[in-house]
Amino acid sequence: GAGVSQTPSNKVTEKGKYVELRCDPISGHTALYWYRQSLGQGPEFLIYFQGTGAADDSGLPNDRFFAVRPEGSVSTLKIQRTERGDSAVYLCASSPTGDSIYGYTFGSGTRLTVV
Amino acid sequence: EDQVTQSPEALRLQEGESSSLNCSYTVSGLRGLFWYRQDPGKGPEFLFTLYSAGEEKEKERLKATLTKKESFLHITAPKPEDSATYLCAVQAKGGSQGNLIFGKGTKLSVKP
Repeated sequence: GAGVSQTPSNKVTEKGKYVELRCDPISGHTALYWYRQSLGQGPEFLIYFQGTGAADDSGLPNDRFFAVRPEGSVSTLKIQRTERGDSAVYLCASSPTGDSIYGYTFGSGTRLTVV
Repeated sequence: EDQVTQSPEALRLQEGESSSLNCSYTVSGLRGLFWYRQDPGKGPEFLFTLYSAGEEKEKERLKATLTKKESFLHITAPKPEDSATYLCAVQAKGGSQGNLIFGKGTKLSVKP
């Protein structure tokens, strides 16, 4: 596609429920990143994929968070037993390789609200 | 601990009034420093990458510079369409290439 696509754009869920957030990167981009942005803050790193494998998952806050990229393109961020503190905009980005010299292309994000 | 501090938090300019945004960083070995622009409801948009002290990059009315402790984003004769939040991020040599540490941003408003 022309850009990074994230669905849904908005998600409201009840505390304790399970949610999945989807990211479609730019076609051919091997590197994919998930970040989380709370109101008034800069994006916070969650996980980085190179191809199908997670090259760095050190930003995942706890074991309720999990992400996959089974075929090296689309990625899904999964959050179990959601908490109100998980409310944020979840941003996905991609780049041609893992080299950030050309920067990342971000999607518009999924705004997650846990009530 | 690696961190990025941006100042000011908010900046109001008149159209044509030049100014600078500051990004101070503390990192255990800098691999790269990045500037992004973010419009409301959108993801960040890449502007520049700087790698070493003394390096400068330019794009239209924007110029980014880098020293060993900070980076500046200079805006010359800004226009209302330059209004956005400008984010600075660093990549540490000890971290993965995917892990950027962002500051909180500077919200720029340019009035006609």
